[in-house]
Amino acid sequence: DQQVKQNSPSLSVQEGRISILNCDYTNSMFDYFLWYKKYPAEGPTFLISISSIKDKNEDGRFTVFLNKSAKHLSLHIVPSQPGDSAVYFCAAPGNNRKLIWGLGTSLAVNP
Amino acid sequence: GAGVSQSPSNKVTEKGKDVELRCDPISGHTALYWYRQSLGQGLEFLIYFQGNSAPDKSGLPSDRFSAERTGGSVSTLTIQRTQQEDSAVYLCASSPGVGENQPQHFGDGTRLSIL
Repeated sequence: DQQVKQNSPSLSVQEGRISILNCDYTNSMFDYFLWYKKYPAEGPTFLISISSIKDKNEDGRFTVFLNKSAKHLSLHIVPSQPGDSAVYFCAAPGNNRKLIWGLGTSLAVNP
Repeated sequence: GAGVSQSPSNKVTEKGKDVELRCDPISGHTALYWYRQSLGQGLEFLIYFQGNSAPDKSGLPSDRFSAERTGGSVSTLTIQRTQQEDSAVYLCASSPGVGENQPQHFGDGTRLSIL
């Protein structure tokens, strides 16, 4: 039973456009969510988080939106840059704050 | 450097051998996690250490897997009698504590291949 789901394995966008990465979850008890970015042969890098009591958190070109009623969150990157090409993971803390991960979405930003 | 350091970066070994994977967390981080990512799979939690508390071993897939953390710092993940299904990237993460404002920081992982 996957508690955190990323249903799009890949996404391709043009440089300068908006990238929207989606994530759904089933456990309404998660108290925050995180997005990580991963380049090949490197570990995941923390990108941005959002508390369950908020509906939006913004950090530069990255904004995360949370819709608790729909159990859905999304990461918006605008404008997208070629260096944003990576795999993006949505995660939420389970017991002992061990992270429960989605399967990731591979983003390709084309010049 | 100041990040989480894992060694070796790659390990190839024969089925049935034991392997040890090492993690040096960020200095001062009290929480340490091990995860693994198998081909085509998401990250899977293995074990969690927090200070002097008993570790959370609930993610270890079998009794062939064990981990320890000495002196609250360096951690070693040991896999005995390796099997081909153990092939994966093993990732270590540390955080200063737990909570939204204390995200886990990851090393670059050890890519383990069992022949």
